[in-house]
Amino acid sequence: AQSVTQPDIHITVSEGASLELRCNYSYGATPYLFWYVQSPGQGLQLLLKYFSGDTLVQGIKGFEAEFKRSQSSFNLRKPSVHWSDAAEYFCAVGASSGGYNKLIFGAGTRLAVHP
Amino acid sequence: NAGVTQTPKFRVLKTGQSMTLLCAQDMNHEYMYWYRQDPGMGLRLIHYSVGEGTTAKGEVPDGYNVSRLKKQNFLLGLESAAPSQTSVYFCASNERGGQPQHFGDGTRLSIL
Repeated sequence: AQSVTQPDIHITVSEGASLELRCNYSYGATPYLFWYVQSPGQGLQLLLKYFSGDTLVQGIKGFEAEFKRSQSSFNLRKPSVHWSDAAEYFCAVGASSGGYNKLIFGAGTRLAVHP
Repeated sequence: NAGVTQTPKFRVLKTGQSMTLLCAQDMNHEYMYWYRQDPGMGLRLIHYSVGEGTTAKGEVPDGYNVSRLKKQNFLLGLESAAPSQTSVYFCASNERGGQPQHFGDGTRLSIL
């Protein structure tokens, strides 16, 4: 069955430090992969997506993610975190089911940023 | 540029009451979705629609009904609310399956 695992429920980093959020997926075919960010009281905003091609994808707000097929991973990175990056981050995989593509979400990683 | 708009934003219901959540999108998207978000569980798909007049069940459809009478609107109904339906509900849309989904800001629903 398709699934997405985000091993870290909470992460705390200092402002200016680097960040890596982990995501592992289980899917038989080549997946579509997404990272979304959710600020408190808001909906989900797309950070970046991977469909095919270059395995290192750039997104908004200085984020990037790398698709590693051998590890079934799609980890999100940022070289220098800003206080405004404090939010919840969701990894999702697009999976085919019954003729349409659905999103399967991980449980999320809540990021806190210390000044 | 409104995108996906959900109404209401907050609602408190008593057990057994009914209500309808409205989702409206102005991007002419074919596909629309209703999710619920619960702590530690990410988002789970309730129902979805692949076009006007169509609906289908998602992962957790029990206790909910939906309708898509107009392309831009997707309604989620609770016929007899239960405390287990206390959650944050998100609507999303996209042009077609596989494309990124655009999300509304959510409806916080509490059932007492």
